[in-house]
Amino acid sequence: EVQLAESGGGVVQRGGSLRLSCAASGFNFDDYPMHWVRQAPGKALEWVSRISWDGTTTKYADSVKGRFTASRDNNKNSLYLEMSSLRPEDSAVYYCAKGFSLNWYCDVWGRGTLVTVSS
Amino acid sequence: QSVLTQPPSVSGAPGQRVTISCSGSSSNIGAGFDVHWYQQLPGSAPKLLIYVNNNRPSGVPDRFSGSKSGSSASLAISGLQAEDEADYYCQSYDNTVSGSVFGGGTKLTVL
Repeated sequence: EVQLAESGGGVVQRGGSLRLSCAASGFNFDDYPMHWVRQAPGKALEWVSRISWDGTTTKYADSVKGRFTASRDNNKNSLYLEMSSLRPEDSAVYYCAKGFSLNWYCDVWGRGTLVTVSS
Repeated sequence: QSVLTQPPSVSGAPGQRVTISCSGSSSNIGAGFDVHWYQQLPGSAPKLLIYVNNNRPSGVPDRFSGSKSGSSASLAISGLQAEDEADYYCQSYDNTVSGSVFGGGTKLTVL
């Protein structure tokens, strides 16, 4: 069964840092790009980042560019999101999702991990 | 303000057909980029419902269908069931932001 499991969320102060992880199983992790998508409480989905299958190409939403860094370790079937200079508006549930090379949809999603940035 | 525009809410009685629109622009849907749809049940993660405009993943009932025309797309749900009550999101690629964009979401209420 294809599964994604995020971890690392928590409460952090404004300006702080946090590292999220996503453990993948049930598919050839290194064949697929991966995404991070977030959802603030009661709000819509917001795409955050996409990383290529080999980690060499990353894309970010303007709202997080320069503050967030996506990476992956294909040997560990793991995806990461390093978040720094956090702001209250970064508070959200962060989902990792499996993507496709030739398109931008995500066919498998994790359950998400909650990040709360206090002011 | 989302790049893709969806109605905040739609409703319908069991057995009826409803449609949810997704309006974009010349930098996303109108540029020819594909549209995808997700269903998010209360308290759950999003689930892929339609990909590449009108394709259903395995396990998604054929009551769900998607279409795209010009700068807009639509999700149609026929034979409405109570279990369809959820939030629905459209998604596409936008070449201005060089990334993915989502609609603001539509809450479907089954009366």
